[in-house]
Amino acid sequence: DGGITQSPKYLFRKEGQNVTLSCEQNLNHDAMYWYRQDPGQGLRLIYYSQIVNDFQKGDIAEGYSVSREKKESFPLTVTSAQKNPTAFYLCASSIATGVRNEQFFGPGTRLTVL
Amino acid sequence: DAKTTQPTSMDCAEGRAANLPCNHSTISGNEYVYWYRQIHSQGPQYIIHGLKNNETNEMASLIITEDRKSSTLILPHATLRDTAVYYCILSTQFYFGTGTSLTVIP
Repeated sequence: DGGITQSPKYLFRKEGQNVTLSCEQNLNHDAMYWYRQDPGQGLRLIYYSQIVNDFQKGDIAEGYSVSREKKESFPLTVTSAQKNPTAFYLCASSIATGVRNEQFFGPGTRLTVL
Repeated sequence: DAKTTQPTSMDCAEGRAANLPCNHSTISGNEYVYWYRQIHSQGPQYIIHGLKNNETNEMASLIITEDRKSSTLILPHATLRDTAVYYCILSTQFYFGTGTSLTVIP
């Protein structure tokens, strides 16, 4: 089956610890995205990548880091610098960015920092 | 910043058509209108998109006004499983606003 996988579904961490969220896609998409969603709110863009070894900051990149070493993978690290990391994190991919960019989303990871 | 505006919430009776409006008055000539929906605690799901012509697929229909400043997503026969948050966004936009929370009532 083609699609996007995110793991784990639920993640708990202690305050001050870095944590890495996994995102893998087998759709052969060039573009990948990370969004954050808080309760009752819409999705806000953290980072996106249009191609391997390249990525751009989104609206709320502070306290996060990403890498794009392989086309299929776009892991997100939530660092201790992120002041309020508890949220629902969604990864997406699309053929490309720009004018036409139907995005396919993963199931999400719910991160809780204790 | 959101380039689209949608009502916060709507109700629809089961079996009736659900018509979800979206305003995008600053849309530019090459921007597509995309619709997604998100069922609670899941990732958003693509529904449909269009540029200027009306579009239909197995999930929904999309009506875009001639001036392209607004559009309407139509779910022809709403079911309880259509209860979700519906997002209207432009193709060059990455910010998903709060969307419209649609509740289908039995």
